[in-house]
Amino acid sequence: QKEVEQDPGPLSVPEGAIVSLNCTYSNSAFQYFMWYRQYSRKGPELLMYTYSSGNKEDGRFTAQVDKSSKYISLFIRDSQPSDSATYLCASALNAGKSTFGDGTTLTVKP
Amino acid sequence: KAGVTQTPRYLIKTRGQQVTLSCSPISGHRSVSWYQQTPGQGLQFLFEYFSETQRNKGNFPGRFSGRQFSNSRSEMNVSTLELGDSALYLCASSLAPEGPEAFFGQGTRLTVV
Repeated sequence: QKEVEQDPGPLSVPEGAIVSLNCTYSNSAFQYFMWYRQYSRKGPELLMYTYSSGNKEDGRFTAQVDKSSKYISLFIRDSQPSDSATYLCASALNAGKSTFGDGTTLTVKP
Repeated sequence: KAGVTQTPRYLIKTRGQQVTLSCSPISGHRSVSWYQQTPGQGLQFLFEYFSETQRNKGNFPGRFSGRQFSNSRSEMNVSTLELGDSALYLCASSLAPEGPEAFFGQGTRLTVV
């Protein structure tokens, strides 16, 4: 079993929909929880990160961490075609050694 | 501000050869991490350096090695290449010693034939 499991895709939604991306993790010692976006032929781009548990909001994006259930979520409101990409969740015990999920490919259709 | 720069972008090597990949972090960043990305295994951690010291290492064979120079630039080396080493190798840099990898380069696409 992988330490970070990500809901498999692909996911296709109409423009304006609310998107929910989810991951679970098994290592209860993980302290950092991240979401990255990766466009084709590019490196991952850090969208948001949370230290320990709780919610974090940045514009149309909301990240949630529930340490009791070891659940990580990313919500995208009012999704846009430009949000079409692969989204990767990741967790880390400490800096510089992240464990990534396999990624979910999202397509937002105009 | 320049981003993380990885060279070369593309590389084709023959089985048994060795290869060296380079990563220049964002100016002022002292932490550099390396990852291997393949369709089957996803992103897997190789190693991480901070101030020229390897702080963390992933579960890769000893054929994979790295180093960091005093200017924070980093190199990784893979010896005795195998077909399975074909992958996108990504480097990430961070300013602080704690916290997630904030900035990734575009990667080096290595193909072993």
